[in-house]
Amino acid sequence: GAVVSQHPSWVICKSGTSVKIECRSLDFQATTMFWYRQFPKQSLMLMATSNEGSKATYEQGVEKDKFLINHASLTLSTLTVTSAHPEDSSFYICSARGGTDLSGTEAFFGQGTRLTVV
Amino acid sequence: AQKITQTQPGMFVQEKEAVTLDCTYDTSDPSYGLFWYKQPSSGEMIFLIYQGSYDQQNATEGRYSLNFQKARKSANLVISASQLGDSAMYFCAMSPGYSSASKIIFGSGTRLSIRP
Repeated sequence: GAVVSQHPSWVICKSGTSVKIECRSLDFQATTMFWYRQFPKQSLMLMATSNEGSKATYEQGVEKDKFLINHASLTLSTLTVTSAHPEDSSFYICSARGGTDLSGTEAFFGQGTRLTVV
Repeated sequence: AQKITQTQPGMFVQEKEAVTLDCTYDTSDPSYGLFWYKQPSSGEMIFLIYQGSYDQQNATEGRYSLNFQKARKSANLVISASQLGDSAMYFCAMSPGYSSASKIIFGSGTRLSIRP
């Protein structure tokens, strides 16, 4: 299957700083990328949907000014957690869909980023 | 609104036995896709199987099969001949519509533990 690379795999930052997470589709053009957040032992909660060249669509309850999403190209989307606080500590994972095949199986996930805010 | 329900928070199964993980869904869209993903402790999401709402046959991928009962809105995952490496979290997911721009929403997951 296609490869989605997410970087970094883990990051520790100080409270009040910003952290950028990158999600790259390595061998296909991802017209749509999704960002999820997962707390320990819980499910993946969709944060936002981003389409290349347009503003992201955020799910209800997700602060768009805190979680900045940029999808500048068909192979790269970034999530920036601004002014991070300890409650933002979580596992963030991206997913990419795209291409011409509409079989529905084109949903590839990055390896995830474990963010710890101290 | 779309919703995925997994009622089994955890399951223990003896190695080599078959196991069924339950999943029910709710959507008003006539077109949708159903997925199962496996998430080991490393956190990566591993795609297992997909079923489209218009597919007549139940999907199968190796030891995995999806028992799709459209009228009951259920999409149970069946793993045959379970192996120790099958121990992981399993998530049922749904994507309304057939577009690659459609979001995927997840159920709460089932933690499967295989006993030797």
